[in-house]
Amino acid sequence: AQRVTQPEKLLSVFKGAPVELKCNYSYSGSPELFWYVQYSRQRLQLLLRHISRESIKGFTADLNKGETSFHLKKPFAQEEDSAMYYCALSGPSGGYNKLIFGAGTRLAVHP
Amino acid sequence: DTGVSQDPRHKITKRGQNVTFRCDPISEHNRLYWYRQTLGQGPEFLTYFQNEAQLEKSRLLSDRFSAERPKGSFSTLEIQRTEQGDSAMYLCASSLGGGRSGNEQFFGPGTRLTVL
Repeated sequence: AQRVTQPEKLLSVFKGAPVELKCNYSYSGSPELFWYVQYSRQRLQLLLRHISRESIKGFTADLNKGETSFHLKKPFAQEEDSAMYYCALSGPSGGYNKLIFGAGTRLAVHP
Repeated sequence: DTGVSQDPRHKITKRGQNVTFRCDPISEHNRLYWYRQTLGQGPEFLTYFQNEAQLEKSRLLSDRFSAERPKGSFSTLEIQRTEQGDSAMYLCASSLGGGRSGNEQFFGPGTRLTVL
């Protein structure tokens, strides 16, 4: 079954603390993994994708095929990082078109 | 605003009524997607179009749901005989292409449907 699991509904940290939002996936084949973010009163937007291998707003994510994970990390959280974060995948069975999302993790960064 | 737009933003209807939502994608994007999001869940794929052709439909899309993209530009999603379980946020997204390198999807603000 194709599935994305985000085990934490809420992650609460203080400003300056490290952050790791967990994402595990189940997919037979070579999926592409994404992190989408939704800030308060804004639309869902792409944060990063694994094939780009880039850091966006200080966030990085490494695809671990052995552990089927794609955790999102940031060494020092900022208050403006508070948002809803969704891990998603697309795969060859769908022509890399449709996205399969996890349930999301709300990140709250406190001053 | 050159992003994806959706209309209406909110719709309240009574059970059994029909509703129609509209999505206008980013102008040069040839792919258009519909997702549904219920409270506490991530978006779930419903269907997508390449130009005017509807290429995939989820099992979530019952016979009461129909989507069109008649001229390969805007799209409509119609729900007939609405049920309370249809209450959700309906999201539209578009992308310039498909496949592994061209599939960044840009999302609209969504239409929130409440069925009483």
